[in-house]
Amino acid sequence: AIRMTQSPSSLSASTGDRVTITCRASQGISSYLAWYQQKPGKAPKLLIYAASTLQSGVPSRFSGSGSGTDFTLTISCLQSEDFATYYCQQYYSYPQYTFGQGTKLEIK
Amino acid sequence: EVQLVESGGGLVKPGGSLRLSCAASGFTFSSYSMNWVRQAPGKGLEWVSSISSSSSYIYYADSVKGRFTISRDNAKNSLYLQMNSLRAEDTAVYYCARDSSSRLYNWFDPWGQGTLVTVSS
Repeated sequence: AIRMTQSPSSLSASTGDRVTITCRASQGISSYLAWYQQKPGKAPKLLIYAASTLQSGVPSRFSGSGSGTDFTLTISCLQSEDFATYYCQQYYSYPQYTFGQGTKLEIK
Repeated sequence: EVQLVESGGGLVKPGGSLRLSCAASGFTFSSYSMNWVRQAPGKGLEWVSSISSSSSYIYYADSVKGRFTISRDNAKNSLYLQMNSLRAEDTAVYYCARDSSSRLYNWFDPWGQGTLVTVSS
């Protein structure tokens, strides 16, 4: 199975900051990567698919990049509602989908 | 509005069984593959099982193979997960999630709100 490793596991930041979360795949997955945001007690919400395509309705301060094995999620100007846990997911090795372990973004 | 609503979670003893349901609305259910994903308390997301639109293709994670059975009823716009021989490590919130399209290489969108399964004596 393809292993997805996110870093950091947790991150403290302030409103207005720019933050970057990294996701690394154990083997090449082309651009078959999605990013999700999850708030406590809620279902994951799709942010980005195909590594860099913003889901409709998602604010433009979110962006994704990368291909192959290395990917990043960037939030350009943190808002209060962005404090949540973020997960990457590879969908290259259908149907053996795998997720990263998550990155918890907390208020500094 | 596309919506997925899970039900059927609860407290069950080790070795017991439970059947989860997911009611779909707002889209042509019979055109999409569907999935179950779980999340143990305080942990990350784990894919559990997938079923193709016509039930021709069914897949399971190794952790549940032989114990869980995924099924669907397209006439009722419903997805199911029959869970047998439950273990403490199956304790989790179980989400149903739709494939993003009817093509290959899909992410999951949308997701249901989840239903909690607790396996404890």
